[in-house]
Amino acid sequence: DTAVSQTPKYLVTQMGNDKSIKCEQNLGHDTMYWYKQDSKKFLKIMFSYNNKELIINETVPNRFSPKSPDKAHLNLHINSLELGDSAVYFCASSQWDRGIDYGYTFGSGTRLTVV
Amino acid sequence: SQQGEEDPQALSIQEGENATMNCSYKTSINNLQWYRQNSGRGLVHLILIRSNEREKHSGRLRVTLDTSKKSSSLLITASRAADTASYFCATDPNSKLTFGKGITLSVRP
Repeated sequence: DTAVSQTPKYLVTQMGNDKSIKCEQNLGHDTMYWYKQDSKKFLKIMFSYNNKELIINETVPNRFSPKSPDKAHLNLHINSLELGDSAVYFCASSQWDRGIDYGYTFGSGTRLTVV
Repeated sequence: SQQGEEDPQALSIQEGENATMNCSYKTSINNLQWYRQNSGRGLVHLILIRSNEREKHSGRLRVTLDTSKKSSSLLITASRAADTASYFCATDPNSKLTFGKGITLSVRP
């Protein structure tokens, strides 16, 4: 069973389109994240949700809108895609137990290419 | 902004040798984590060391943490070709896991 699964794995789309990436975790974790990895492998956090509530919203264009229907799912919708949005997007989840962090579990990534 | 900075940026060793990777960070931390990323794959959590720990072992991995110098090192002993990957350190300022640029490790068979 895949712990954190993302779909699709690859996404090629034209500029100006709207697309969504879905993420699901079956670990029972309370917190989920979206990270963006650029062509130089630099990873930057975009959003974080804890029990369906947005807790981290980095400086991300408002064309990006996360949605968490329940604590096991965190989707990312992107409007009006631009060339600069091309990257690999990773979903992750984590669990804090009595203030102790046990590390993040990442999905395998969605490679988005905007043409 | 980046919190962790790994050193070196790239490392090439022979199978069987040890690989040492270093990470420096800027602000106080609760813990420091190391992750591995194989080409075209997601990140895999390797080991987490808490701010009150100085050394931790997991199989062939040994991590040290020096909070006075704000630095950590990851040692992989008896490296294998399968250890070829990018390695990232990550810290958690403001409860946001923040990654360094990563180290590319190549293990030659």
